[in-house]
Amino acid sequence: SQTIHQWPATLVQPVGSPLSLECTVEGTSNPNLYWYRQAAGRGLQLLFYSVGIGQISSEVPQNLSASRPQDRQFILSSKKLLLSDSGFYLCAWSVRRAIYEGYTFGSGTRLTVV
Amino acid sequence: AQSVAQPEDQVNVAEGNPLTVKCTYSVSGNPYLFWYVQYPNRGLQFLLKYITGDNLVKGSYGFEAEFNKSQTSFHLKKPSALVSDSALYFCAVRDRDSGNTPLVFGKGTRLSVIA
Repeated sequence: SQTIHQWPATLVQPVGSPLSLECTVEGTSNPNLYWYRQAAGRGLQLLFYSVGIGQISSEVPQNLSASRPQDRQFILSSKKLLLSDSGFYLCAWSVRRAIYEGYTFGSGTRLTVV
Repeated sequence: AQSVAQPEDQVNVAEGNPLTVKCTYSVSGNPYLFWYVQYPNRGLQFLLKYITGDNLVKGSYGFEAEFNKSQTSFHLKKPSALVSDSALYFCAVRDRDSGNTPLVFGKGTRLSVIA
């Protein structure tokens, strides 16, 4: 069966520090991968999505970046965190080309920038 | 363009009463529609989806949703609410002809079931 792993679960980082959040998927190949941010327990903001290794689409230009070094690995990074980067970050995957399928979400990372 | 609206930020219902969480959508063609639930500090969990066929879709935990093409709606329903149903609910849509574009999510509706 397919599983998605996201870590760490919680993170407290000072302003100006770097960030690296990792997401991996097991039990499937060639997934579409997504990074979302959720502020204050409300709506989802799509940050990045990827349909293949090295293929990243950015939805929101800001000081975050994403990379997909391997087929089932998706990394969210920042060189210098801002206070406004605080939030709940969610990784998700879907079956490529199966657009009738929904997403499977990871358990999320709570990031607090202090 | 695709969009989805959840007109209620908050829905309160007494335990045992029926519940409805509203969702309307806009797509150019025909939609794929989804409902997800999120419990505190957790990821979203899939509840149900409409692809084609019967307009009434049954999903997890006793939830169901009715696809209404003329009203472009996909409201989530449950005949008898439980306190454990209290959570944040998201509706999502994708146009069938949109290729591999991401799902569009609504802003979420917080459901509170009161004992």
